[in-house]
This record gives sequence, structure tokens and C-alpha cells, in this order.
Amino acid sequence: SQTIHQWPATLVQPVGSPLSLECTVEGTSNPNLYWYRQAAGRGLQLLFYSVGIGQISSEVPQNLSASRPQDRQFILSSKKLLLSDSGFYLCAWRLTGNTEAFFGQGTRLTVV
Amino acid sequence: GQQVMQIPQYQHVQEGEDFTTYCNSSTTLSNIQWYKQRPGGHPVFLIQLVKSGEVKKQKRLTFQFGEAKKNSSLHITATQTTDVGTYFCAGPTYGQNFVFGPGTRLSVLP
Repeated sequence: SQTIHQWPATLVQPVGSPLSLECTVEGTSNPNLYWYRQAAGRGLQLLFYSVGIGQISSEVPQNLSASRPQDRQFILSSKKLLLSDSGFYLCAWRLTGNTEAFFGQGTRLTVV
Repeated sequence: GQQVMQIPQYQHVQEGEDFTTYCNSSTTLSNIQWYKQRPGGHPVFLIQLVKSGEVKKQKRLTFQFGEAKKNSSLHITATQTTDVGTYFCAGPTYGQNFVFGPGTRLSVLP
């Protein structure tokens, strides 16, 4: 069966520090991968999505970046965090076509 | 660009009351999906509707897809405290992307 792993679950980082969140998917091949951010009590904001290795589409210009070094690995990074980067970051995958999305457990990031 | 809207933003109900959330798209959708996110959790897929006018039921939940395939609704009969959470609709957009509505947050008072 397919599973998605996302870590860490919680993270407290100082302003100006770097960030690296990792997401891996098991049990499937060629997944479409997504990074979302959710502010407290708000909806899901799509940050990046990828349809293949090395292919990244950015939806929202900001100081975050994403990379997909392997088929089932998706990484969200920042060189210098801002206070406004705080939020709940969710990784998701789905197969090509109109299929359901599967979300990771999320990372709750607090920038202090 | 394509927009998906949901109303209401919040809904507080007494346990046992019914609840409905509505989803509207600015464009015709090939399908629509519904997700539930429990407080502190991640979104979990509930159902997908594909056909115009389609109605699907899952126990106390009834999902409808509009005839024009631009709107959808989720109705919960006799809410329970386990129904608490935020309900999102989502529709496909360009490429392999899909867009979520802002969600309806449901609280159920015991």
C-alpha cells in the first residue's frame, strides 16, 4: 500500500535560519507531488507542485523553494526564514488523472 | 484564474442538527472532490463526484454535484461530535494541479 512520510512534525526556527522539510512517498511510482501551506484556521495555499524528477512549478513567489531529487522525494527549503513563513506545511501526492490526493501528517512550523 | 468558493466559512450546530456546506466554481469542473480535516490533522479524502447531477451517500453524509458541474454540496444529517472539522471541496485545474476551496469549519456543540 502507498504511504507518505513527512517530517519533522513540529519545528521552531529563528528568523533568518534555513529550512528543509522532507516528504517521501512509498508504494507508488511517478506521483505528482505538492507542497501546501495552511495558516491557522485558513485554507490550503498551494506553494509548489511537481510532475516529475527535477520538474518544479511555483505557484506563489516567496522565499521558499522546492526540489525533487528523486521520484518519490519532495523537499521544501528556505535560505532565510521570515516570521510570515510560520504555518502548517502539508505534502501531498496523487497519481496523474482525476484521482484523490493523499496528504502527509504535516509540519507545524513556528518562526520566532 | 479558476476560483473555488465555499460557504459558509464557519458553522456552529447543536449535536443532532443538520449541516450543509456549498461549493461553487467559477468554471465547469470535470469532477469535484471533498476532503475532511480534523482539528490538528491533515486533509483526508472523502469522495469524488464526476457526473452531472450525481448524488452519493456515505452513511449520514450526502454529496451532490450540480447539473452544470459548477457547484456541489455536502450535507450531514444529525451531526455528531465526530463530524467536527473543516470540510474542503477541490476541483481540477490546469495540468495536474487542483484547487481547494477555503473550507467550511464545522463545530458541533454536545
